[in-house]
Amino acid sequence: DVKVTQSSRYLVKRTGEKVFLECVQDMDHENMFWYRQDPGLGLRLIYFSYDVKMKEKGDIPEGYSVSREKKERFSLILESASTNQTSMYLCASSPDAASGANVLTFGAGSRLTVL
Amino acid sequence: GQNIDQPTEMTATEGAIVQINCTYQTSGFNGLFWYQQHAGEAPTFLSYNVLDGLEEKGRFSSFLSRSKGYSYLLLKELQMKDSASYLCAVRDSNYQLIWGAGTKLIIKP
Repeated sequence: DVKVTQSSRYLVKRTGEKVFLECVQDMDHENMFWYRQDPGLGLRLIYFSYDVKMKEKGDIPEGYSVSREKKERFSLILESASTNQTSMYLCASSPDAASGANVLTFGAGSRLTVL
Repeated sequence: GQNIDQPTEMTATEGAIVQINCTYQTSGFNGLFWYQQHAGEAPTFLSYNVLDGLEEKGRFSSFLSRSKGYSYLLLKELQMKDSASYLCAVRDSNYQLIWGAGTKLIIKP
């Protein structure tokens, strides 16, 4: 019954490494999002995408990039990981942005530690 | 700036009722959401309010007052499995979600 799958639950990387976080959804949703979740803070939007090959910056895009080559897949890339990117990363998807509640469905999260 | 406030942590007893408050100041309003997040798991959708009033869904109810910038989530007949964080989020005039830091609810037997 898993609808949004994040490829890695736990990752440990070294400063300067390139990191790929993969997210796949099977609900044919148009919209996909990457958030980071840190203690004491609300979810912060990194990037989002309303369509294949489209991407929009969220509130904290610095140090990140994304790729959406297929509708079901949205990847988050850390070109050169830094210790301040140690966090829980949550992927989410939703149907058409303009209609109704537009509820987000989240993946289980990827906890990244950068040493 | 935009801001969502909710208590950091609350404790309640199994079988009791608890109310988790959320106040917001945002650029516009296009709905308020409550999500539940168990430790180490994905947030899951609980409720959506766009008009003033109370929305009831089983043991959970959510209330909204747009004029006061205020919502609450009411949980009745608390069960141990209700121990989780509860996230309040408001969709602003740009249809972007602004999230509160979440309220960790601890249920004691």
